[in-house]
Amino acid sequence: QKEVEQNSGPLSVPEGAIASLNCTYSDRGSQSFFWYRQYSGKSPELIMSIYSNGDKEDGRFTAQLNKASQYVSLLIRDSQPSDSATYLCAVNVYGSGNTPLVFGKGTRLSVIA
Amino acid sequence: EPEVTQTPSHQVTQMGQEVILRCVPISNHLYFYWYRQILGQKVEFLVSFYNNEISEKSEIFDDQFSVERPDGSNFTLKIRSTKLEDSAMYFCASRAGGGLRTHSPLHFGNGTRLTVT
Repeated sequence: QKEVEQNSGPLSVPEGAIASLNCTYSDRGSQSFFWYRQYSGKSPELIMSIYSNGDKEDGRFTAQLNKASQYVSLLIRDSQPSDSATYLCAVNVYGSGNTPLVFGKGTRLSVIA
Repeated sequence: EPEVTQTPSHQVTQMGQEVILRCVPISNHLYFYWYRQILGQKVEFLVSFYNNEISEKSEIFDDQFSVERPDGSNFTLKIRSTKLEDSAMYFCASRAGGGLRTHSPLHFGNGTRLTVT
């Protein structure tokens, strides 16, 4: 059973702070990792993808991957109230290119102005 | 920027009726998916479609469900004999081809909210 685990939150941070979101996954064969943002009642929106161990930065977002620990995280710097949403971690297991993404339940982030 | 489009945005149906949810994936994408999200729960995989056939399906995707790509652009999900527990948001997604070991990102449509009464 492929599992992706996230703390459901809510995670509350003050405006301007760093928000840290974490995700663990069960399958050592996983090769592709994604963070999506989902506003209430809306569809998931891709924030970042990461495939290699280490950090990947894109604007205020940094994804971190540690395959040995089966752990992926997302840091949001200078958090804004508009960042308040549910953040979904999604993982793909190595296999054919068609292996579906498995999503975590998501972490609800609340940025307090 | 190209996007996945879904229609209708909201569908209300009576228990036992059939519904068809429609999607137009991004034009140069090769892989198509249906996911669903019951209110307050996680995004769940239903089915993937590649090269005009189902490539993988979940336990949820039983005989009640079917998918079709009737022409070069549309991708549909049919739910026969709907049940109350089918009420959910249904998302269509597509992606470009990936490498042998990597999975390119999914791009989601805005979803169809299905309400079964």
